[in-house]
Amino acid sequence: EVQLVESGGGLVQPGGSLRLSCAASGFTFSDYSMNWVRQAPGKGLEWVSYITSSSGTIYYADSVKGRFTISRDNAKNSLYLQMNSLRDEDAAIYYCARGYYYDSCDFWGQGTLVTVSS
Amino acid sequence: QSMLTQPPSASGTPGQRVTISCSGSNSNIGSNGVHWYQQFPGTAPKLLMYNYNQRPSGVPARFSGSKSGTSASLAISGLQSEDEADYYCAAWDDSLNGRVFGGGTKVTVL
Repeated sequence: EVQLVESGGGLVQPGGSLRLSCAASGFTFSDYSMNWVRQAPGKGLEWVSYITSSSGTIYYADSVKGRFTISRDNAKNSLYLQMNSLRDEDAAIYYCARGYYYDSCDFWGQGTLVTVSS
Repeated sequence: QSMLTQPPSASGTPGQRVTISCSGSNSNIGSNGVHWYQQFPGTAPKLLMYNYNQRPSGVPARFSGSKSGTSASLAISGLQSEDEADYYCAAWDDSLNGRVFGGGTKVTVL
């Protein structure tokens, strides 16, 4: 069974940093691209970042470019999101999602909540 | 601001057909696959349709998708109470080098 489990969320002050993790199981992690997608409370989905299976290609949304860094460790079946210089508008549930055909996302984790507040 | 435009709400009675539209541009829907996600309150999104009309395993056949030019649609035939959820369209955008989502459509079963 495919499972994606996010962790690392919490309360952080504006300007602070947080590192999110996504532990994958039930599939060959190194074969798949991965994504981070976020959802602010009561709002819609916003794509954050994408990484190919070998980490050879990485993309970011303009809203996080220069502040967030996506990475993965295929040996540990894990995906990461390093978030620096956090802003109020970064507060959201952060989901990791597995890449599928035609750039869709077929499996999603349950999400981890990031709260940015002083 | 969403790059893909969806109506904020749609509704129907049980058994009716409901259609949700998703409007984009040449750089996203016009040149890439369109995908639809279903999300119930408090849960993670679920892939409902990929490449505009392909259903993942387990998705009921009452869900169908179509695409024409820079727009796409999701149809729910034989609407059921359990279909009450938020629905999001998404596509890769070549000019942004990123994924774009619609603002979401809340489907209510009357």
